[in-house]
Amino acid sequence: SAVISQKPSRDICQRGTSLTIQCQVDSQVTMMFWYRQQPGQSLTLIATANQGSEATYESGFVIDKFPISRPNLTFSTLTVSNMSPEDSSIYLCSVEDLRDEQYFGPGTRLTVT
Amino acid sequence: QKEVEQNSGPLSVPEGAIASLNCTYSDRGSQSFFWYRQYSGKSPELIMFIYSNGDKEDGRFTAQLNKASQYVSLLIRDSQPSDSATYLCAVNADSSYKLIFGSGTRLLVRP
Repeated sequence: SAVISQKPSRDICQRGTSLTIQCQVDSQVTMMFWYRQQPGQSLTLIATANQGSEATYESGFVIDKFPISRPNLTFSTLTVSNMSPEDSSIYLCSVEDLRDEQYFGPGTRLTVT
Repeated sequence: QKEVEQNSGPLSVPEGAIASLNCTYSDRGSQSFFWYRQYSGKSPELIMFIYSNGDKEDGRFTAQLNKASQYVSLLIRDSQPSDSATYLCAVNADSSYKLIFGSGTRLLVRP
């Protein structure tokens, strides 16, 4: 499976600020996704990062709050904008391989104070 | 609303026993079913996937799928304390690449 890295691994941010999370894959992949895992809960898909076009957002998530970039087939960023304590979560990047299996990066643990 | 249901547990089994984890899903159109293992503080790790009715075995793990009953399960044979983790069931939604995750079942394997 592809090797996925994320930066930063964790951060503590003040409310009202923004944080950009990077996801790097060691091989070209078609599908990249961003998930959120709130404390004690399961994973929720935020959006699909599309290479060369705007991301596809799931219900409840909007581009102004979670802008996503996908400049090429190995890299994507997720920005959490105008943060509030409710945004404290683990943010996970995932990729889908040619067998339609999804693999996750190590995650970014965000705490908003 | 498409849903994936799991018993949150904890499911406690003695070392060496068989652990049985269950999952039901609401979308009859789902075609792909995945089991992820998540250790505390870590990201989910794919351990099994199944697409066809019946059983699929991989080492100590067996995934079972019954599409008529909309039920998928994971059996872990010869459970080890290192198997203690949260197991997440995931199902593709709308016959697409989107995955819907259950809330996970916490497994505790007692030495």
